[in-house]
Amino acid sequence: NAGVTQTPKFRVLKTGQSMTLLCAQDMNHEYMYWYRQDPGMGLRLIHYSVGEGTTAKGEVPDGYNVSRLKKQNFLLGLESAAPSQTSVYFCASSYLQGQGYNEQFFGPGTRLTVL
Amino acid sequence: QQQVKQSPQSLIVQKGGISIINCAYENTAFDYFPWYQQFPGKGPALLIAIRPDVSEKKEGRFTISFNKSAKQFSLHIMDSQPGDSATYFCAASMKTGANNLFFGTGTRLTVIP
Repeated sequence: NAGVTQTPKFRVLKTGQSMTLLCAQDMNHEYMYWYRQDPGMGLRLIHYSVGEGTTAKGEVPDGYNVSRLKKQNFLLGLESAAPSQTSVYFCASSYLQGQGYNEQFFGPGTRLTVL
Repeated sequence: QQQVKQSPQSLIVQKGGISIINCAYENTAFDYFPWYQQFPGKGPALLIAIRPDVSEKKEGRFTISFNKSAKQFSLHIMDSQPGDSATYFCAASMKTGANNLFFGTGTRLTVIP
């Protein structure tokens, strides 16, 4: 099993450009998440999905859109990149383990720089 | 605002020493408290987790202490090793909704030989 994979690993964008980050998981997990990690701020949830065809906003959704057309894939889009979106982006997936337990499995991250 | 407050931001410990990282929360609806470990260039991975019906959970050299009345929990790493050098995140979630995790800001641990 590959677990959670993310593409690309690195990307440099100019302000105003658009791009899509792809997350794929092969564990048949229902739940998927997109986080951004910034120094001193920990991991902040951007958007999440509780199943195929569903998405919801997290803590910091502005400037991002997501889609979950297939259960194994979760896409994060930046329509018009801004320097404030320079960050490391992590995708995660999980299955609900009963009684609220939620072990999330993370991908290796995508380092995005917006100039 | 930060739902889970974590300290210290960084920690340097001698090999064999005890590393202690503290977290605090306000939302009494939280009922699951995991710790994640992240090595440079990698994604976080679950290290150990606790539910508030117990005050302590131990797995090998790693122990979570939980104080429900104070709304605080901490990670203790006994006999710290250079291989433990990583960033540690505490987190919390509640049963309702999608069980989203709220993460602390992280502690960078360095264990010197």
